[in-house]
Amino acid sequence: AQSVTQLGSHVSVSEGALVLLRCNYSSSVPPYLFWYVQYPNQGLQLLLKYTSAATLVKGINGFEAEFKKSETSFHLTKPSAHMSDAAEYFCAVSGAYGQNFVFGPGTRLSVLP
Amino acid sequence: NAGVTQTPKFQVLKTGQSMTLQCAQDMNHEYMSWYRQDPGMGLRLIHYSVGAGITDQGEVPNGYNVSRSTTEDFPLRLLSAAPSQTSVYFCASRGSGVVNEQFFGPGTRLTVL
Repeated sequence: AQSVTQLGSHVSVSEGALVLLRCNYSSSVPPYLFWYVQYPNQGLQLLLKYTSAATLVKGINGFEAEFKKSETSFHLTKPSAHMSDAAEYFCAVSGAYGQNFVFGPGTRLSVLP
Repeated sequence: NAGVTQTPKFQVLKTGQSMTLQCAQDMNHEYMSWYRQDPGMGLRLIHYSVGAGITDQGEVPNGYNVSRSTTEDFPLRLLSAAPSQTSVYFCASRGSGVVNEQFFGPGTRLTVL
């Protein structure tokens, strides 16, 4: 079985500051990990995915995430927050063929001017 | 490609009414899913399908029915709406093979009075 926890339901950062959104997973099979972003009143859009090819994954809009097996983590970072980054972010885990695709509860990111 | 489309965008029902949420995708994806999104709970899987004619239950299937007569369409039926089914519903699809991310529709916001 797989599960995802996201520490902090709401994170606030100042514009230009580092963004760090935390994701920890539990998986009985080699995990495949995803970060999705949801802007207000929209569907989910893929930011990046970990497919075991490289532990540091670069995504869209300047985001990246690092897979750390020893810590069972896949934290999302961005060096400098922009106002347009304000959204809800979901971490998700699945097996290699998409079985048991499970989402975390989400973290709402606010960016302060 | 239109991707994943959902209709309607908004719907208000009275308790006991039935309705069908429509979902269609034009990417020839085998896998399709329905999720509901509630505050603080992330996305929870209602039903999913691995191909035309094949459906299965997810985490929260009670009160919902699905069918998959074509690759493109995956409607979700509420048999007798209840206030607990007030939520935002998302349809998603993905291709077969290893580590294919899910593509999401824009969502249907349903209120049951």
